[in-house]
Amino acid sequence: AQSVTQLDSHVSVSEGTPVLLRCNYSSSYSPSLFWYVQHPNKGLQLLLKYTSAATLVKGINGFEAEFKKSETSFHLTKPSAHMSDAAEYFCVVSDTGNQFYFGTGTSLTVIP
Amino acid sequence: DTAVSQTPKYLVTQMGNDKSIKCEQNLGHDTMYWYKQDSKKFLKIMFSYNNKELIINETVPNRFSPKSPDKAHLNLHINSLELGDSAVYFCASSQHPNQPQHFGDGTRLSIL
Repeated sequence: AQSVTQLDSHVSVSEGTPVLLRCNYSSSYSPSLFWYVQHPNKGLQLLLKYTSAATLVKGINGFEAEFKKSETSFHLTKPSAHMSDAAEYFCVVSDTGNQFYFGTGTSLTVIP
Repeated sequence: DTAVSQTPKYLVTQMGNDKSIKCEQNLGHDTMYWYKQDSKKFLKIMFSYNNKELIINETVPNRFSPKSPDKAHLNLHINSLELGDSAVYFCASSQHPNQPQHFGDGTRLSIL
């Protein structure tokens, strides 16, 4: 069975400081992993995806994530937060079937 | 150029009514989805169609019925609306199942 756990429901950082949003997954297969961002009153937008190529994945807007199989983690990072990064972030795992499993989301606040 | 468009954006109606939400994608994708997002931002997949065939049909009330007249459209009809149906409904599409999804901006349904 697949599942996704986002360890923090809320994260606050100061502008210009690093961002770390944590995600752990469980999967019986080699999973595909995704991070999506949702800005207020908008749909979800793909930030990046891991599909068994390089374990360090670079995405849009300076975000990246590292797939660590031994830790079953796929944490999202950014070296320097910007005010426009304030949003809801979702970690998603997909198995070899047709299903996507969404985490419960992490709300990121950026303090000026 | 809106990739995934949903109409209406807002829907306010009374309990017991029947309503429809329309979704269209101009990306040439084969797969389309409907999600429900509750007030705590939790996303739940409801249905998925691939080439007009139903491939995911999660446990949702029979009052919800999807219809896919062609690959570019997936509409959602809801009968006998209830208070608990109040949520944001997102349509999404992907090239194939398990591929990254493109989301619409959502339809905010409020039941009075």
